[in-house]
Amino acid sequence: GQNIDQPTEMTATEGAIVQINCTYQTSGFNGLFWYQQHAGEAPTFLSYNVLDGLEEKGRFSSFLSRSKGYSYLLLKELQMKDSASYLCAVRDRGRGSTLGRLYFGRGTQLTVWP
Amino acid sequence: DAGVIQSPRHEVTEMGQEVTLRCKPISGHNSLFWYRQTMMRGLELLIYFNNNVPIDDSGMPEDRFSAKMPNASFSTLKIQPSEPRDSAVYFCASSLRISGGAGETQYFGPGTRLLVL
Repeated sequence: GQNIDQPTEMTATEGAIVQINCTYQTSGFNGLFWYQQHAGEAPTFLSYNVLDGLEEKGRFSSFLSRSKGYSYLLLKELQMKDSASYLCAVRDRGRGSTLGRLYFGRGTQLTVWP
Repeated sequence: DAGVIQSPRHEVTEMGQEVTLRCKPISGHNSLFWYRQTMMRGLELLIYFNNNVPIDDSGMPEDRFSAKMPNASFSTLKIQPSEPRDSAVYFCASSLRISGGAGETQYFGPGTRLLVL
């Protein structure tokens, strides 16, 4: 299995930058995902990293260091609508030719204040 | 495009009753996942299918839970008999898995909110 750790809660103000960290321990790493989940809704895909480095997608960026078992999600120019839970998920290596399964962290509840 | 469709959206039942949750994955996707989300345990994978075949059911809590995927466009998750501790949001997700393709994204349905009294 996987052990995934991320902060429970974070707060920030509109227009600011926030970094949500995720650390993991894995028996076989095959990719790291970030999902956003608004209250009462389904998780939606934000980003994917499998190689070390930074992946940028608009206001959101995600970083991965496989040697350190560490990732972060960077949100710039925060907006009120960014208030949500952010889930870090690690995929392991499946058996044989199958891709592995996702293990989700408990999520970081981000509150953006005006 | 229609996303993942789940029904019912809400279910309230009494302990001991059978509960059946339904899922229609995105057309063309070949993998389907059933998750359960609670405050205590977060989002947990129960079972997943690839090309209608169950691949990993290690997350299924106990024999009371069963899942089927009779064809590529339909899956069910059944709980019999249901217990209060089964109360949770159950999500179905689907994806297109390509051999050697690592960037697979799972798309989640809106979820079924189950309350067992």
